[in-house]
Amino acid sequence: SQQGEEDPQALSIQEGENATMNCSYKTSINNLQWYRQNSGRGLVHLILIRSNEREKHSGRLRVTLDTSKKSSSLLITASRAADTASYFCATFPSGGSNYKLTFGKGTLLTVNP
Amino acid sequence: NAGVMQNPRHLVRRRGQEARLRCSPMKGHSHVYWYRQLPEEGLKFMVYLQKENIIDESGMPKERFSAEFPKEGPSILRIQQVVRGDSAAYFCASSPRSGTGDYEQYFGPGTRLTVT
Repeated sequence: SQQGEEDPQALSIQEGENATMNCSYKTSINNLQWYRQNSGRGLVHLILIRSNEREKHSGRLRVTLDTSKKSSSLLITASRAADTASYFCATFPSGGSNYKLTFGKGTLLTVNP
Repeated sequence: NAGVMQNPRHLVRRRGQEARLRCSPMKGHSHVYWYRQLPEEGLKFMVYLQKENIIDESGMPKERFSAEFPKEGPSILRIQQVVRGDSAAYFCASSPRSGTGDYEQYFGPGTRLTVT
């Protein structure tokens, strides 16, 4: 089964609204990271949250982590059309192989002007 | 400081040909990772290299695929005798350190391989 699965698979909202994406994972982790990928482009690192942290903020981004439920959420507030992209969560496993990022399939976010 | 550079950005090969993908890590980074992204999928780890060493190639198909990171020059991902199923986006990432603690892998723009 796949580590790091996001839901929803696709999300369409209006500019100014908030967008929430969720990620679940299966094994113990060192940290969880969120990336953004614009269509046909590379990945941009957004935020990293450690396994001993519960919440983290960066600008309009808010990430939560619940290790008991093995889940994380990414909230983008006051969305803009430029936020349209695919968002991926990725995890580093705890214990060994702490270089092998495991990605989910991503959430495609569309922000309509 | 230039980011991770990959070339070519797009590569078209006929079945049976060889594909060579290049990755220049960020300055000062000695750890390189290759990932593959199939259509509608997330990225999948392929291989982790340090200068002149393959550390972990567990995600790379055992046949036709090879990777190197020489002392001088870029890292190369080589796919011999390509098949249609190799069509994907191949991403390279680099980091100044690895293995322990929290660190970020910096990704390049990717090479989109199309096999016809």
